[in-house]
Amino acid sequence: GAVVSQHPSRVICKSGTSVKIECRSLDFQATTMFWYRQFPKKSLMLMATSNEGSKATYEQGVEKDKFLINHASLTLSTLTVTSAHPEDSSFYICSAKVRRILSGEQFFGPGTRLTVL
Amino acid sequence: AQSVTQLDSHVSVSEGTPVLLRCNYSSSYSPSLFWYVQHPNKGLQLLLKYTSAATLVKGINGFEAEFKKSETSFHLTKPSAHMSDAAEYFCVVSDQAGGYNKLIFGAGTRLAVHP
Repeated sequence: GAVVSQHPSRVICKSGTSVKIECRSLDFQATTMFWYRQFPKKSLMLMATSNEGSKATYEQGVEKDKFLINHASLTLSTLTVTSAHPEDSSFYICSAKVRRILSGEQFFGPGTRLTVL
Repeated sequence: AQSVTQLDSHVSVSEGTPVLLRCNYSSSYSPSLFWYVQHPNKGLQLLLKYTSAATLVKGINGFEAEFKKSETSFHLTKPSAHMSDAAEYFCVVSDQAGGYNKLIFGAGTRLAVHP
């Protein structure tokens, strides 16, 4: 149980285009979903936290107009990188949390590798 | 505020020898602590978690960690390394501020296993 999927696993796009990444909880309802960014050989950096049906909470320094997050249902959150530029190239990982698990454990997706040319 | 320090950025061991990955944490109250493993270009997999129950926590693939409050440590160990253990390991503490249960990640330790 507690499987999180991401789609696509890898995407290459041209500079200036927008890219949407989907994150789905496959066998549970995720009350909260998180989006992380990971640079090569670095740790995960939390970008934003989203609860179903409400606006995402962005971490300091993350541009909300650049990284649009929608959490329309308890099983789906999307991250849209708008007007992507080469510096947005990175590994994006989502995770999901279940309210009843009080420890704060998160279940992670496999990640999406974004390359902006 | 919560924080996590992984004391070694790289650890190299021979196959069949013990593994020790060190982690110290800072927390103003009783924390939840986790170890996650990440293989190249993959997502994160939970190895084990501590949530104020037994201080010695057993995880998957033969890993275990001991919560030591007096030393604010949560070191990860394995008696005998396998080649497949080569990966990046993250020590993580749960920050419950704001009710969102954010995870605070350590910088990671890259484990290399040599034949």
